[in-house]
Amino acid sequence: SAVISQKPSRDICQRGTSLTIQCQVDSQVTMMFWYRQQPGQSLTLIATANQGSEATYESGFVIDKFPISRPNLTFSTLTVSNMSPEDSSIYLCSVARGLTDTQYFGPGTRLTVL
Amino acid sequence: GENVEQHPSTLSVQEGDSAVIKCTYSDSASNYFPWYKQELGKRPQLIIDIRSNVGEKKDQRIAVTLNKTAKHFSLHITETQPEDSAVYFCAASNSRIQGAQKLVFGQGTRLTINP
Repeated sequence: SAVISQKPSRDICQRGTSLTIQCQVDSQVTMMFWYRQQPGQSLTLIATANQGSEATYESGFVIDKFPISRPNLTFSTLTVSNMSPEDSSIYLCSVARGLTDTQYFGPGTRLTVL
Repeated sequence: GENVEQHPSTLSVQEGDSAVIKCTYSDSASNYFPWYKQELGKRPQLIIDIRSNVGEKKDQRIAVTLNKTAKHFSLHITETQPEDSAVYFCAASNSRIQGAQKLVFGQGTRLTINP
């Protein structure tokens, strides 16, 4: 499986600010995804990060709130904009090498919004 | 869209006994069913997966069974050990975005192995 890293690993932010989370993979992958895991809950897909085009968002998630970039096949960013305490969650990226390949998760970013 | 239900939400078994976690899905077009294990403070780790052309798959103490007609699949852990204690998530994939498997997760099962 690929080696996946995320930065930052955790952060505490003030209401109304924005945070950009980075996801780096050690080799080229076809697909990159961003998930949210609220405290004690399951994983919910936010969007698929598409290389060279706009991300594909799931129902309930919008680009203005969660802008995503994917400049190449090994890197993606997720920004959580205009944060509120309800955005306190773990944000995880996942990757898949091929179109039908298994997804592997990054270590996650634990975000607390005060 | 797809909906995945997972039961039970918590499960406690004695070390050495077997544990079974069950999931049902709603979309008959779903064709990929992975299981992830998440230890406290860690990332979800894939432990086993199954595709819709197979009814059962086994890897040492872990097995997954799939019943496409009933739209349910189950995780079986035999000879449980304390290190099996974790939260387990099932997932189902029902659509393809540019060919990718998009996962919908169950609610999770907190498994505790009692020594």
